[in-house]
Amino acid sequence: EAQVTQNPRYLITVTGKKLTVTCSQNMNHEYMSWYRQDPGLGLRQIYYSMNVEVTDKGDVPEGYKVSRKEKRNFPLILESPSPNQTSLYFCASSLSQTATRGYTFGSGTRLTVV
Amino acid sequence: SQKIEQNSEALNIQEGKTATLTCNYTNYSPAYLQWYRQDPGRGPVFLLLIRENEKEKRKERLKVTFDTTLKQSLFHITASQPADSATYLCASNYIPTFGRGTSLIVHP
Repeated sequence: EAQVTQNPRYLITVTGKKLTVTCSQNMNHEYMSWYRQDPGLGLRQIYYSMNVEVTDKGDVPEGYKVSRKEKRNFPLILESPSPNQTSLYFCASSLSQTATRGYTFGSGTRLTVV
Repeated sequence: SQKIEQNSEALNIQEGKTATLTCNYTNYSPAYLQWYRQDPGRGPVFLLLIRENEKEKRKERLKVTFDTTLKQSLFHITASQPADSATYLCASNYIPTFGRGTSLIVHP
């Protein structure tokens, strides 16, 4: 089944403890992206990648890192999480940035930083 | 920069009626607009894409229009069902940029 898989689904952590949210897609998509979704603010792009070893900042990149060493994986790294990073995170992928067939989203990771 | 605006108020309709959701964009016209469905706590699911030069697109009970004069896209669900209740997101190809979504509630 074609899908984007994120892990974990839920995560509670403490301020300052480094964490990684994994994202993997099995569709050979070139483009991958991370979003956070907060009530009243909608989906905001954190980082995106147009291909292996090519990443770029989105609208809200502060406090996050990403890497794209392989085409299928696009992990999101929070080096020193803070409570304002408590949010619902989504990974998405598409054949290319133009996404004329739409983006495929993962099921989401609900992160709580205390 | 471009903004995508959707009505933040929930749309309540009776089963069997047509639901119409609005997406307005600012500044220049995007090459295309996309519509997604999102259920609570789940990832958005792609429904339809309409290009700037297409006036209308249909898929089963769904219809999307693109009006570059009004800078607006309308999303219609005909013969709505309670199972259509969800939040519907509009997105442009720029960045891409998502609207905040409109919640649709279909009452039996």
